[in-house]
Amino acid sequence: SQTIHQWPATLVQPVGSPLSLECTVEGTSNPNLYWYRQAAGRGLQLLFYSVGIGQISSEVPQNLSASRPQDRQFILSSKKLLLSDSGFYLCAWSATGKTQYFGPGTRLLVL
Amino acid sequence: DQQVKQNSPSLSVQEGRISILNCDYTNSMFDYFLWYKKYPAEGPTFLISISSIKDKNEDGRFTVFLNKSAKHLSLHIVPSQPGDSAVYFCAASRPGAGSYQLTFGKGTKLSVIP
Repeated sequence: SQTIHQWPATLVQPVGSPLSLECTVEGTSNPNLYWYRQAAGRGLQLLFYSVGIGQISSEVPQNLSASRPQDRQFILSSKKLLLSDSGFYLCAWSATGKTQYFGPGTRLLVL
Repeated sequence: DQQVKQNSPSLSVQEGRISILNCDYTNSMFDYFLWYKKYPAEGPTFLISISSIKDKNEDGRFTVFLNKSAKHLSLHIVPSQPGDSAVYFCAASRPGAGSYQLTFGKGTKLSVIP
């Protein structure tokens, strides 16, 4: 069966510091991968998605970036965090189908 | 522009009764609809989905109804149980550049009262 991992689970970072969140998927090959953010009291906003290694599509321009160095690894990064980057970050995968399966999430607090 | 709307931020239902969660959408390009359940500090869990070529899909206690002409779908939970208390997200899918993309509503918090 497929599993999806995210780490860290919780992160507290100062404004202006860098960020790296990691997501890995097990039990499947060539998945579509997605990064979402859920801000407090809001729905899920798609940030990036990837259909293959090195292929990244951005949905919302901002100071975040994503990379896919391996087939089942998806990384969300920032060079300098803003207060507004605080939120709950979710990674999801899909086997090129229409249903996406989510990881446990990373709670990021920028102070 | 919010393309998927869940107009009820919260809903309270007595245990054993039916829970009905509603969702409206505006984009006619959506061709697949999903419901997710989310507990605090956890990722959403996929519950049930429906293709735009159907008007009903059932899985145990969960049934999703789709009314394409009204651009409306609903999730019925019968009977409701305390463990169903969570935030429910409606999502709609459309084809993108090599990938399907989901657009989510803001969620409805369901409280099932024992």
